[in-house]
Amino acid sequence: GNSVTQMEGPVTLSEEAFLTINCTYTATGYPSLFWYVQYPGEGLQLLLKATKADDKGSNKGFEATYRKETTSFHLEKGSVQVSDSAVYFCALSGSTSGQNFVFGPGTRLSVLP
Amino acid sequence: GAGVSQTPSNKVTEKGKYVELRCDPISGHTALYWYRQSLGQGPEFLIYFQGTGAADDSGLPNDRFFAVRPEGSVSTLKIQRTERGDSAVYLCASSPGPGPSYNEQFFGPGTRLTVL
Repeated sequence: GNSVTQMEGPVTLSEEAFLTINCTYTATGYPSLFWYVQYPGEGLQLLLKATKADDKGSNKGFEATYRKETTSFHLEKGSVQVSDSAVYFCALSGSTSGQNFVFGPGTRLSVLP
Repeated sequence: GAGVSQTPSNKVTEKGKYVELRCDPISGHTALYWYRQSLGQGPEFLIYFQGTGAADDSGLPNDRFFAVRPEGSVSTLKIQRTERGDSAVYLCASSPGPGPSYNEQFFGPGTRLTVL
């Protein structure tokens, strides 16, 4: 079945540091890929998405590129801020009729001033 | 506009009791999803509705769990004979419809269920 693996946290960075959170997936067909973010005390929010190979999703300075050859969708940001502290979830939506989502376990990011 | 709402926000019950959790999706969204999120883990898929019908219920853990969406809008997740292991945050999400162009899901705040 479909699955998502992402780097384990927690990740602690200083403000303005470069961020990478790795995500790899296993899926049949051509899934859509997503990064969701959960800020403290808030619900899950979509951060960015990509629906086909080589697409780049971007939002709020975050980027991720859908790499079919390496089955990866790594999240990057050039300069993190304290307000980016949150839990980040990589997810995929299968291309089969189920349309269910498979989430990774989440990576907790803490950014220190 | 209004987002996905879930009630109650918190539910405490005793082992063996029956509980119902409600989800109000975004108006016009035809797809509705239920997930369960345990502490420190990602959401785990339970069931997906397209309209009134359950298009995929493969994530329901056993026959104590059941969900309905009789009019294609509000959905209720029902758990019979609750067990302590059912304690988790239950998330609901909706999306405009099926297919890659519409599969962005909008999540509600969740219902935290505690089974004593």
